[in-house]
Amino acid sequence: GIQVEQSPPDLILQEGANSTLRCNFSDSVNNLQWFHQNPWGQLINLFYIPSGTKQNGRLSATTVATERYSLLYISSSQTTDSGVYFCAVIKWGGGNKLTFGTGTQLKVEL
Amino acid sequence: EAEVAQSPRYKITEKSQAVAFWCDPISGHATLYWYRQILGQGPELLVQFQDESVVDDSQLPKDRFSAERLKGVDSTLKIQPAELGDSAMYLCASSKTGTSGGRRYQETQYFGPGTRLLVL
Repeated sequence: GIQVEQSPPDLILQEGANSTLRCNFSDSVNNLQWFHQNPWGQLINLFYIPSGTKQNGRLSATTVATERYSLLYISSSQTTDSGVYFCAVIKWGGGNKLTFGTGTQLKVEL
Repeated sequence: EAEVAQSPRYKITEKSQAVAFWCDPISGHATLYWYRQILGQGPELLVQFQDESVVDDSQLPKDRFSAERLKGVDSTLKIQPAELGDSAMYLCASSKTGTSGGRRYQETQYFGPGTRLLVL
């Protein structure tokens, strides 16, 4: 099956700092989503981005499908950004199921 | 904004007991998913429904797990008997079904708050 790897696995930031999270996948995909899992376990949709660039406030994402990676940018980080960030992909013909990456654990400190 | 509902939020049970989880997807979402997330890992699909039909249950431990979506709306996931290794977060998600070039595909998946299960 498709492999999804994220880096870095852990990240500690000071409030106000910027960061880039990376997601690499082993095969071509039809869909890609970024999620934030908060400390209470809720998975929150950030982006549905099979290709191209999208922005939502302090967050933006870019997927380069031909090179099999996606990037999530967090600017001016806040303590509420803490949690785990997952990317997940779908490859049609693979059951249309989301395959999740390994996650990036982010902690934003004051 | 419509949300996926799940209950209970937390469940503690003893091994060999039966447990059941309930999920109500976003209205109009034909596809419903149950995922299991072990601490420190990403969620993994257990079962996927399209309306009332199962389309993927290849990762569901069928000797002890069962899932149903009788009317194609809400769904129940059951474990009987529960084992220590079943302790995890159980997440439900739903999505609309789109079509592109005559092919059906799943749009954005939205997740519920999850049920944390602890088996003692």
